[in-house]
Amino acid sequence: GIQVEQSPPDLILQEGANSTLRCNFSDSVNNLQWFHQNPWGQLINLFYIPSGTKQNGRLSATTVATERYSLLYISSSQTTDSGVYFCAVGQTSYDKVIFGPGTSLSVIP
Amino acid sequence: EAEVAQSPRYKITEKSQAVAFWCDPISGHATLYWYRQILGQGPELLVQFQDESVVDDSQLPKDRFSAERLKGVDSTLKIQPAELGDSAMYLCASSTTQSTEAFFGQGTRLTVV
Repeated sequence: GIQVEQSPPDLILQEGANSTLRCNFSDSVNNLQWFHQNPWGQLINLFYIPSGTKQNGRLSATTVATERYSLLYISSSQTTDSGVYFCAVGQTSYDKVIFGPGTSLSVIP
Repeated sequence: EAEVAQSPRYKITEKSQAVAFWCDPISGHATLYWYRQILGQGPELLVQFQDESVVDDSQLPKDRFSAERLKGVDSTLKIQPAELGDSAMYLCASSTTQSTEAFFGQGTRLTVV
């Protein structure tokens, strides 16, 4: 089955810094999502981005499907950005969504 | 804003007891997923429904876990008997048939003692 890798596994940032999180996947996909898991465990949808670039405030994401990777950019980080960021992919319309291992982000004041 | 509803939020049960979780997907979402997330790991799919039919239950431990979605709307996940290793977050998600974008509920955090 498809493999999903995320890097780095852990990241500590000073408030106000920028960061880039990476997601690599081993096969073609027609679904790619980025989630933020908050301290209470809920998965918050950030982007649905099987290809192209999207922006939402301080966050943006780019997926290069032909090269099998996606990037999540966080600018001017805030302490509320702390948590775990997951990339999740699916290969067909009816396929299960497979999660990567996540990147744990800590933003310190 | 429409949300996936899950209950209970927290559950503590003794090993060998039965436990059940409930999920109500976003209205109109035909696809429903149950995931299990062990602390420090990403969620793993247990079962996927399309309407009332099971599409994928290959990772569901069928000797103790069961899931149903009788009318193709809400769903119940049951564990009987619970084991210590079942302690985890159980997440429900839903999506439409047209889009595979999944939306998650707040989860049920299970502790087996």
